[in-house]
Amino acid sequence: GAGVSQSPSNKVTEKGKDVELRCDPISGHTALYWYRQSLGQGLEFLIYFQGNSAPDKSGLPSDRFSAERTGGSVSTLTIQRTQQEDSAVYLCASSLEYTGTKETQYFGPGTRLLVL
Amino acid sequence: DAKTTQPNSMESNEEEPVHLPCNHSTISGTDYIHWYRQLPSQGPEYVIHGLTSNVNNRMASLAIAEDRKSSTLILHRATLRDAAVYYCILRDEDSGYALNFGKGTSLLVTP
Repeated sequence: GAGVSQSPSNKVTEKGKDVELRCDPISGHTALYWYRQSLGQGLEFLIYFQGNSAPDKSGLPSDRFSAERTGGSVSTLTIQRTQQEDSAVYLCASSLEYTGTKETQYFGPGTRLLVL
Repeated sequence: DAKTTQPNSMESNEEEPVHLPCNHSTISGTDYIHWYRQLPSQGPEYVIHGLTSNVNNRMASLAIAEDRKSSTLILHRATLRDAAVYYCILRDEDSGYALNFGKGTSLLVTP
């Protein structure tokens, strides 16, 4: 079946502009995660959604970052007033549900964001 | 999360077996051992996971030491497509939602 999809694949923006990144999780997956990976760095957790529960925003680096998930499916990550240090690959993942120790996360191909 | 230690890089010849080690000496009894890999310019991909017994799937095998302080991911016959960064991750009930990828092992496969 279809995997996690993300759009756009690449995004170039100017410093100070707002950007929106989209994630379509695997159908039926109730848990959705956003990570980012800066050049040469590991993956950094940003935010987590599970069903209708309040999201875990503990990984968001600043209040310029926000995310929403509409109808329990598609999610949008918004970065306001982008800075050059926001340049990274933004990865979305989904899992059937959050079961903690055993759940498998399925990742999308990522959106490569470059802030000039 | 309990800490894992992996070599920064390893190299293998194509069509030979590869053994990727992971040390996790502070593992607790309820920690699951997960392996993911990330091919160049792609998102991470689940490989395998286990708790105590050795595990096999179509991608790889996971050998877990009897004391669970270390584990080894085994690729039985490396192909060029297996060149990736391999991450060994421990998950317990207190891990939270995020996977802690660490730095992983960069595997180079040569023809």
